[in-house]
Amino acid sequence: DTAVSQTPKYLVTQMGNDKSIKCEQNLGHDTMYWYKQDSKKFLKIMFSYNNKELIINETVPNRFSPKSPDKAHLNLHINSLELGDSAVYFCASSQAGDRNSPLHFGNGTRLTVT
Amino acid sequence: DAKTTQPTSMDCAEGRAANLPCNHSTISGNEYVYWYRQIHSQGPQYIIHGLKNNETNEMASLIITEDRKSSTLILPHATLRDTAVYYCIVRRVYSSNTGKLIFGQGTTLQVKP
Repeated sequence: DTAVSQTPKYLVTQMGNDKSIKCEQNLGHDTMYWYKQDSKKFLKIMFSYNNKELIINETVPNRFSPKSPDKAHLNLHINSLELGDSAVYFCASSQAGDRNSPLHFGNGTRLTVT
Repeated sequence: DAKTTQPTSMDCAEGRAANLPCNHSTISGNEYVYWYRQIHSQGPQYIIHGLKNNETNEMASLIITEDRKSSTLILPHATLRDTAVYYCIVRRVYSSNTGKLIFGQGTTLQVKP
């Protein structure tokens, strides 16, 4: 069973479009994250949600809006896509109550904006 | 969070131990050392973590120096499937940002036949 799953795996779209990436975890964790890996391969946190509440927002443009319908899901909606949004987006989860809980990552969504 | 320094790349012969060093000279008392790896086209995978004692699990061993300013990840018998980018991360606990992992460039480990 996949612990953290993201869909779609690949997403190709044009500038100006709106798109969503979905993430689900079946680990029973209460905290979920979105990380972005740019063309230089640097991984950087974007958002973190704990029990559906936003706890980290790393100065991401407000075109990016995470939505957590329940603690097992954290979706990422992106409005008015720009060329610079092209990257690989990783979802992750952990258990906040366990301070040492490692993050479990999905296999990423490769977004290409043309 | 403390900054870490790792060599950009390393090679290792298949079947031999791979020793990946990491410097974290500004680490503070409430920060753990975590290791993750990223195999091509996959998400980062947790390997091991420790505070001050050496740790071992089914994947690897972590050796932390007594002053905690550096550590070494040991893959005892490297296989071709261990070829990946290895990230050493210092993670603060007792903080609302415990999920905020700061990834550096990591070490690209190439395991060769």
